[in-house]
Amino acid sequence: QSVLTQPPSVSAAPGQRVTISCSGSTSNIGDNYVSWYQHFPGTAPKLVIYDNYKRPSGIPDRFSGSKSGTSATLAITGLQTGDEADFYCGTWDTSLLSVVFGGGTKLTVL
Amino acid sequence: QVHLQESGPGLAKPSETLSLTCTVSGDSISSGDYFWSWIRQPPGKGLEWIGNIYYRGNTFYSPSLKSRVIMSIDASGNQFSLTLTSLTAADTALYYCARVKYYGTGALRGLDPWGQGTLVTVSS
Repeated sequence: QSVLTQPPSVSAAPGQRVTISCSGSTSNIGDNYVSWYQHFPGTAPKLVIYDNYKRPSGIPDRFSGSKSGTSATLAITGLQTGDEADFYCGTWDTSLLSVVFGGGTKLTVL
Repeated sequence: QVHLQESGPGLAKPSETLSLTCTVSGDSISSGDYFWSWIRQPPGKGLEWIGNIYYRGNTFYSPSLKSRVIMSIDASGNQFSLTLTSLTAADTALYYCARVKYYGTGALRGLDPWGQGTLVTVSS
């Protein structure tokens, strides 16, 4: 049972826009920055969003992040088949003094 | 470019102790600009955070693993390590190390980059 809640899967067609939600509480998302990770099985997870909405160097602007209250959202526009991966949200939990992750969302580009 | 590489035994026995090392290149663990982290992924499951360590030895551990985890820093080797005791089959996982962007006293901004991971199987 993950501290943060994500949908198990999302799907959309190439070229379309998809969003992935991440729900938490006041002690984690509500009080701290959210980051997002793209994970192709068998490879190193990659940071795609940090500080709620910032993109690391090399991450295309098709990826965007937002946060409102105790929830965060990752949006991907102009979907490509190469975007198919598992996506995880993460944040700090001030009560647990821990990094917490969502359970992960499998993105399928139909 | 910063690179992290995990190393350790691929197989361990139940009740034994696991030791993993993460070697960092392209950055100095002692710079003080980052924490350093261990995360694992059991087969077919999601990411599970294990703990973070700062070059001065400050640590944060997962509450569920705290009684069995020790993390340490080897500044001269630019490495950090994970020790996990009393292994069970539930500890079978892909173990990753990562660099931690942080703010304040250790809160997470982002984990970047990550190592490729090392698979640890706990079996007799």
